[in-house]
Amino acid sequence: GAVVSQHPSRVICKSGTSVKIECRSLDFQATTMFWYRQFPKQSLMLMATSNEGSKATYEQGVEKDKFLINHASLTLSTLTVTSAHPEDSSFYICSAGQPMNTEAFFGQGTRLTVV
Amino acid sequence: DAKTTQPNSMESNEEEPVHLPCNHSTISGTDYIHWYRQLPSQGPEYVIHGLTSNVNNRMASLAIAEDRKSSTLILHRATLRDAAVYYCILRDETSGTYKYIFGTGTRLKVLA
Repeated sequence: GAVVSQHPSRVICKSGTSVKIECRSLDFQATTMFWYRQFPKQSLMLMATSNEGSKATYEQGVEKDKFLINHASLTLSTLTVTSAHPEDSSFYICSAGQPMNTEAFFGQGTRLTVV
Repeated sequence: DAKTTQPNSMESNEEEPVHLPCNHSTISGTDYIHWYRQLPSQGPEYVIHGLTSNVNNRMASLAIAEDRKSSTLILHRATLRDAAVYYCILRDETSGTYKYIFGTGTRLKVLA
């Protein structure tokens, strides 16, 4: 079946630095990818919709200048957390699907810890 | 986006069936009902989906009420590996965005 891969699975960074998370669709072309964040014991919160070749659409309350999303190809979307702070520590998850496919595929998630 | 309501947690004994309910009273005619589950520190995993008719696959069954305002995910024989958070999500296939809005989900505990 289709697979979505995230990298890295775990990252620790210093406060004030930037971190890039990659999301790849391994065996299908994803025109749209989604980025979520999840705090401990909470549900997934949609951050933004990443569209190949165009600007991402951010959900209300998500800072687009802090969470930079790039979807330069049909198989790769990246999320960059800029000037990270400890409150950005979270579990970040991407997903991808195809318009005619009613099943979405999720990455394994990236655990970000900002120290 | 139409919302779903699920119990926060449920318990089941191993090898017994589990019925996980979901209410979606504001569902529209074009919303598909999707179920995903999430194990600790992993991304969500697809379980099953349906529109109007009941659905079966190797993982589970999905029973959809006739008025589509509720549905039930059925795990026929729970195992310890089924312990996870189960999410019921509505997806609008006509919107073109097919984004998922996750509710709180049901945390299933399976007792040995």
